[in-house]
Amino acid sequence: AQSVTQPDIHITVSEGASLELRCNYSYGATPYLFWYVQSPGQGLQLLLKYFSGDTLVQGIKGFEAEFKRSQSSFNLRKPSVHWSDAAEYFCAVGDKIIFGKGTRLHILP
Amino acid sequence: KAGVTQTPRYLIKTRGQQVTLSCSPISGHRSVSWYQQTPGQGLQFLFEYFSETQRNKGNFPGRFSGRQFSNSRSEMNVSTLELGDSALYLCASSLGQGLNTDTQYFGPGTRLTVL
Repeated sequence: AQSVTQPDIHITVSEGASLELRCNYSYGATPYLFWYVQSPGQGLQLLLKYFSGDTLVQGIKGFEAEFKRSQSSFNLRKPSVHWSDAAEYFCAVGDKIIFGKGTRLHILP
Repeated sequence: KAGVTQTPRYLIKTRGQQVTLSCSPISGHRSVSWYQQTPGQGLQFLFEYFSETQRNKGNFPGRFSGRQFSNSRSEMNVSTLELGDSALYLCASSLGQGLNTDTQYFGPGTRLTVL
């Protein structure tokens, strides 16, 4: 069965620091993988997606994610976070788009 | 260019009633997808429509249905409402069909409360 695990419910980082949000999935074949962000002001947005090809995917707002088949992971990264990145982030997998429970990102000034 | 619009923004219904929510995609977009978001179950994919045909469906009971019109506007209907149907219902539009397509743009959602 398809499933997604986001191990961290909350993460706090300082503004300007690097960020990595973890996502592990269970899927029978090469998965479709997604990262979404939801904030009160912007609503829900698709950050990036992976279907095939290059395992390092670039998204909007300076985010990237790397697909690692051996680890069943699709972690989201950003080299330097901004206060406006504070939001909830959702990883999703598969053709039926199974979402993880989300990771809430807090930014310290 | 106007974004995705959803009407109504807020709705209160009672158990057993039915409800219809509407989504108008960005002009020129032909694909509309629907999602449900609740505190308990989180985000869940409902269905996707493209060219008036349902192309993909999540794991929801038959009480949840949808349709798409020739102008790409979409409606979703929930019959025999249950308390657990209280949720934020999000609609997203994109140009093409399916997941391997261009970016999705989300609407602000319809907040449904079932009493």
